Amino acid sequence: DAKTTQPPSMDCAEGRAANLPCNHSTISGNEYVYWYRQIHSQGPQYIIHGLKNNETNEMASLIITEDRKSSTLILPHATLRDTAVYYCIVRVNNFNKFYFGSGTKLNVKP
Amino acid sequence: DTEVTQTPKHLVMGMTNKKSLKCEQHMGHRAMYWYKQKAKKPPELMFVYSYEKLSINESVPSRFSPECPNSSLLNLHLHALQPEDSALYLCASSQDLSAANYGYTFGSGTRLTVV
Repeated sequence: DAKTTQPPSMDCAEGRAANLPCNHSTISGNEYVYWYRQIHSQGPQYIIHGLKNNETNEMASLIITEDRKSSTLILPHATLRDTAVYYCIVRVNNFNKFYFGSGTKLNVKP
Repeated sequence: DTEVTQTPKHLVMGMTNKKSLKCEQHMGHRAMYWYKQKAKKPPELMFVYSYEKLSINESVPSRFSPECPNSSLLNLHLHALQPEDSALYLCASSQDLSAANYGYTFGSGTRLTVV
């Protein structure tokens, strides 16, 4: 699996957009980028995933650079309940493993 | 049903005890996983099951013994654990191993304390 690099922590003001970066410079052509978050002591929660194109759902947007070596998760209007650890993961097709990187602790402040 | 259910939510056991963690899903997923998560660390993969057969063991000590009795159920049998095995144990499932376009669904975990 390609490795991911994320900043250990970020702050965001409530109501503002939170932009969480992820570097995956060794990603291969068939590897998907996944984002999960984990609120204190709960199970990881799926947010969004993509391969090449930008993606949007009701929770967030995922922007993947054209060379696919990095991506950004965007929470458009962060709330206090978005305070969590956010994990960026790459997953190769036909491969059994889903490895977590170190993640980014997002602190949303009033 | 779109959930992975783990029981118990909390477990305290002595080092000589035998206990089991249970994980259940009814989404028709054919791949199931056990992860271990220490405090302030990311989850670490332990075991992978595919179609009820053990596919991957990430060099986990034999005091942890997984079992997949059917496609909906995954157990983790615990015996002679050490205090350093205290952690959050997470179960997950996915459609199958080959579909990278489908993510994992995680349970809420079992908080294990070994005394």
